[in-house]
Amino acid sequence: DSGVTQTPKHLITATGQRVTLRCSPRSGDLSVYWYQQSLDQGLQFLIHYYNGEERAKGNILERFSAQQFPDLHSELNLSSLELGDSALYFCASSVDTVGAGLYNEQFFGPGTRLTVL
Amino acid sequence: QQQVKQSPQSLIVQKGGISIINCAYENTAFDYFPWYQQFPGKGPALLIAIRPDVSEKKEGRFTISFNKSAKQFSLHIMDSQPGDSATYFCAATLFISNFGNEKLTFGTGTRLTIIP
Repeated sequence: DSGVTQTPKHLITATGQRVTLRCSPRSGDLSVYWYQQSLDQGLQFLIHYYNGEERAKGNILERFSAQQFPDLHSELNLSSLELGDSALYFCASSVDTVGAGLYNEQFFGPGTRLTVL
Repeated sequence: QQQVKQSPQSLIVQKGGISIINCAYENTAFDYFPWYQQFPGKGPALLIAIRPDVSEKKEGRFTISFNKSAKQFSLHIMDSQPGDSATYFCAATLFISNFGNEKLTFGTGTRLTIIP
């Protein structure tokens, strides 16, 4: 158990709908990363939040958005869903010690499997 | 744009044998190279990692070999066991001292099956 929790575990919805995926990082971790895992694209970075602020964006679609709340949990919002959005969505967290000269391990949650019908 | 290429896509190894997975990267700014292990229904978990200032790192049965000039690194699993059957991802990233961790750029994954 990595200490990162994600809800829901499974989500089945229809095209055009909107869903929200939730992630609670490990206690003390300030950074949350979102990744998408699909069969054809592998694990792709979507977005990174650090202590409530957006830090970096990857190939995240405009239909997708995220935020990190004051209690450090994060939500990934996916709207106008398409069949191709079906994938596993992982969040990862890390301590992210800025200025310490260290790489901090990213701990992954169990993922949310999204199926768009 | 795939910055980390991984091979093979799948690998079948006899129990007790050596499993070898290879990766190549393009961005010479990368300075941290982790390997992740993923079991079905689970998230990736860090297995072992290396920095480019060393050519090899060993942890138990797992060894990373790193060739900076060739921009390649590989994972060797010695005495492979059925419990090692999983998908393995190589990754690369960089650390910016005033900015913290960068994103992980993953390879495409290798599905490893260890047969008795």
